[in-house]
Amino acid sequence: GAVVSQHPSRVICKSGTSVKIECRSLDFQATTMFWYRQFPKQSLMLMATSNEGSKATYEQGVEKDKFLINHASLTLSTLTVTSAHPEDSSFYICSAGGGTGYLSGTDTQYFGPGTRLTVL
Amino acid sequence: KNEVEQSPQNLTAQEGEFITINCSYSVGISALHWLQQHPGGGIVSLFMLSSGKKKHGRLIATINIQEKHSSLHITASHPRDSAVYICAVRSSGSARQLTFGSGTQLTVLP
Repeated sequence: GAVVSQHPSRVICKSGTSVKIECRSLDFQATTMFWYRQFPKQSLMLMATSNEGSKATYEQGVEKDKFLINHASLTLSTLTVTSAHPEDSSFYICSAGGGTGYLSGTDTQYFGPGTRLTVL
Repeated sequence: KNEVEQSPQNLTAQEGEFITINCSYSVGISALHWLQQHPGGGIVSLFMLSSGKKKHGRLIATINIQEKHSSLHITASHPRDSAVYICAVRSSGSARQLTFGSGTQLTVLP
């Protein structure tokens, strides 16, 4: 099956700094990538949907200026948490879908392993 | 009422038992996913269904579109099956966004 990677897997930073999380589709070209966050013992919450080459669509309540999403290529999307605060500490997960080639037209989403962000 | 509801929330079973996790949804869907999340956090997509039944190893997933219901079965359960199982649906017409159930925490005891 298709593989999606995230980097870093874990990051600890000081309050006020910015953190960039990368999501890569390793063996297919993903036209759409999704960013989720998950708090302990809760389900995933969709933050935004990004399509390659266009601006991300953010869910209600998610600050687009705080969570910057760039989807510059079919294999890479980045989420930057700007001026991070302790309440931003969470598990961030990306998924990729809408693949081209052998995955085109499928509804399958492939999830990254997640990035655990801790803001001190 | 949530669009996607799972039951039970928590399930403890003895090794070898047959396990069923249920998912009901209230919207029209184009696809339903069953996902597995281990304690480390990584999510694995187990199945994507739009009709009928799929089987992979000891896992079986079924869906009844008319009744808006899906089940995930695990035969001959094993402690390594312990994880959170999440049902997620893609609403008809949506741009691939998924709506997630709250998950079922499964613990299989040796």
